[in-house]
Amino acid sequence: GEEVAQTPKHLVRGEGQKAKLYCAPIKGHSYVFWYQQVLKNEFKFLISFQNENVFDETGMPKERFSAKCLPNSPCSLEIQATKLEDSAVYFCASSPGASTEAFFGQGTRLTVV
Amino acid sequence: EDQVTQSPEALRLQEGESSSLNCSYTVSGLRGLFWYRQDPGKGPEFLFTLYSAGEEKEKERLKATLTKKESFLHITAPKPEDSATYLCAVQAGTGNQFYFGTGTSLTVIP
Repeated sequence: GEEVAQTPKHLVRGEGQKAKLYCAPIKGHSYVFWYQQVLKNEFKFLISFQNENVFDETGMPKERFSAKCLPNSPCSLEIQATKLEDSAVYFCASSPGASTEAFFGQGTRLTVV
Repeated sequence: EDQVTQSPEALRLQEGESSSLNCSYTVSGLRGLFWYRQDPGKGPEFLFTLYSAGEEKEKERLKATLTKKESFLHITAPKPEDSATYLCAVQAGTGNQFYFGTGTSLTVIP
């Protein structure tokens, strides 16, 4: 597709439940990024992929967060046992090259209650 | 530590009143500087990429420039539809993550 598609737009989970977010990158883009926007305009890097391989996972809270980008499937970000502080907007982005601009999806707003 | 700082935090302009937004960065090995626009409830929308000092990019009322320590986004004769948050991000070093500033919230009053 010509734009990054994220689903769902909104997700509500009770504390301790699992949350799974999906991202279809732009066709032909090799890199996928996940960011968490908690406070207004504060973007926290989580993880990036080059095709199906993890490229940089320095931002991932490894205890409860995991992500995958498998061939011919949307990428996913999964949060096990959600906590209140996981409430945020999660953005996915894709880029065609290592040092090129990234194009963002519209985000998934996760609310943990 | 890599840092990206944007100023001002908020800016109110009258329609037609030109101004500039600043993005200063402290990184090792800049690979690219990127400007985005974000509207409420939406994802960041790509505007410009700058790679080296002296480079300039222009699109409609917006012009982005880059020096070795900072970038400016110049807005000429803004219109109300230019109201948004403008974000600056850099890529640096060997990783490929984007380091974002906290943005400038621009309001253009008719």
